[in-house]
Amino acid sequence: AQTVTQSQPEMSVQEAETVTLSCTYDTSESDYYLFWYKQPPSRQMILVIRQEAYKQQNATENRFSVNFQKAAKSFSLKISDSQLGDAAMYFCAYRPETSGSRLTFGEGTQLTVNP
Amino acid sequence: SAVISQKPSRDICQRGTSLTIQCQVDSQVTMMFWYRQQPGQSLTLIATANQGSEATYESGFVIDKFPISRPNLTFSTLTVSNMSPEDSSIYLCSVARGPHYTDTQYFGPGTRLTVL
Repeated sequence: AQTVTQSQPEMSVQEAETVTLSCTYDTSESDYYLFWYKQPPSRQMILVIRQEAYKQQNATENRFSVNFQKAAKSFSLKISDSQLGDAAMYFCAYRPETSGSRLTFGEGTQLTVNP
Repeated sequence: SAVISQKPSRDICQRGTSLTIQCQVDSQVTMMFWYRQQPGQSLTLIATANQGSEATYESGFVIDKFPISRPNLTFSTLTVSNMSPEDSSIYLCSVARGPHYTDTQYFGPGTRLTVL
C-alpha cells in the first residue's frame, strides 16, 4: 500500500526565519507527483507546490522550495522568510501514475509562526 | 486553477437526518472528488463522482451512506445519510481538469458538519 508519513505533528518558526517540514512516502511506482497543500484555519486547501518524480530539479515557488530525494523517498518543504500568514496545517500528498487522480495525504504538520 | 464553491459552509444536524452538500465549479472539469476530514485528521477520499454514471467509492464508504450525484461537468452533490455523531467532519469537494496523474487537484472551501 502507498503511504505518506509526516513525522512532525507540530513545528514552530520565528517570523523571517526558515523552517523545513518533512515528508516521506512509500511506493513501488516509478512515475508520480508529489504535492504540498496548506490548510489555514479557514480550512481552504491551497496548493503550495508540486514536484514531478521524473524531474531531478527541485521545484520552487517564491519563498517555498522542496528537497526531493527520490531514492530516499523523501519530499521536504522549505519555507524561507516565514510570514505570519504561513501559519497553517501543511499536508504532503502523493499521486502515482497508476492511481488516476487519487491523492494520498500525510497526517499533516501544524506550523506556528511566532512574531 | 478553478473556482470552487460549496454549500452549505457549515451545518449542525440531528442524529438520524440527512444532509446534502453541493459543489459548484466555475468551469467544466473532468474529475470531481469528495473527501472527508475528521477532527484533527488528514483527508480521506470518499469517492470519485462520475458524470452520467454511478460514483466510484473507496474502501469503507458505501453508496447507501454517501449517495453522490453528478449531473454535469460543473456540479456534484454528496449526501450524508442517517447521520450519527461519528459523521461530524469537514467534507471537501475537489476537482481536476483531467484524469491524468499530472492534473493538479484543487479544493473547495469545505463544509463543516456537526451531528448532535
